Amino acid sequence: QLQLQESGPGLVKPSETLSLTCTVSGGSISSSSSYWGWIRQPPGKGLEWIGSLFYSGSTLYNPSLKSRVTIPVDTSKNQFSLKLTSVTATDTAMYYCVSGGSSFEYWGQGTLVTVSS
Amino acid sequence: QSVLTQPPSASGTPGQRVTISCSGSSSNIGSDTVNWYQHLPGTAPKLLIYSDDQRPSGVPDRFSGSKSGTSASLAISGVQSEDEADYYCGAWDDSLNGWVFGGGTKLTVL
Repeated sequence: QLQLQESGPGLVKPSETLSLTCTVSGGSISSSSSYWGWIRQPPGKGLEWIGSLFYSGSTLYNPSLKSRVTIPVDTSKNQFSLKLTSVTATDTAMYYCVSGGSSFEYWGQGTLVTVSS
Repeated sequence: QSVLTQPPSASGTPGQRVTISCSGSSSNIGSDTVNWYQHLPGTAPKLLIYSDDQRPSGVPDRFSGSKSGTSASLAISGVQSEDEADYYCGAWDDSLNGWVFGGGTKLTVL
């Protein structure tokens, strides 16, 4: 059973870069059958897809965030990350790493990131 | 403003059948499959239905999904108190070239 675990700072200052890491266990991040990505949920709001990393190494990002987001991968550590630059208070959210194909079968427990000075 | 439209709330008494709708357009629900997620407070969202009407292993068969045109529905037959949660629909959107979700429906079991 694939398991995902997010890690990273819970507090980020405005204009700085939000950096989170997702550690994958129970499967290889190099698997040809999986997508890997990030979804967030601002307080009191719905889910928002941030971006996805495909087994080919290509990435796809939400057009509304594309200029600020990257999803690097470290296959040696079986991890992938989220980098979101120039954050503002509107980036405050619960961030989930996800996997398992286009239906997002697997989810991490989520990590709350607050953007505040 | 979410791309997919869901009612903000739904309710039912134990044992009742409850349905939650999800409305989209030709660029998302009308051209691709719909997934449904259950989100219990303090937990990670859980995939409930994929590819319009398929249940992952372990999901009770009282949950079912359907789709017609640019709309989809989640039905819960014989709703139970443990089903009280937020439910989200999601789909790929060809125009946005990304995945989109509904705003979520909060189910209350009275």
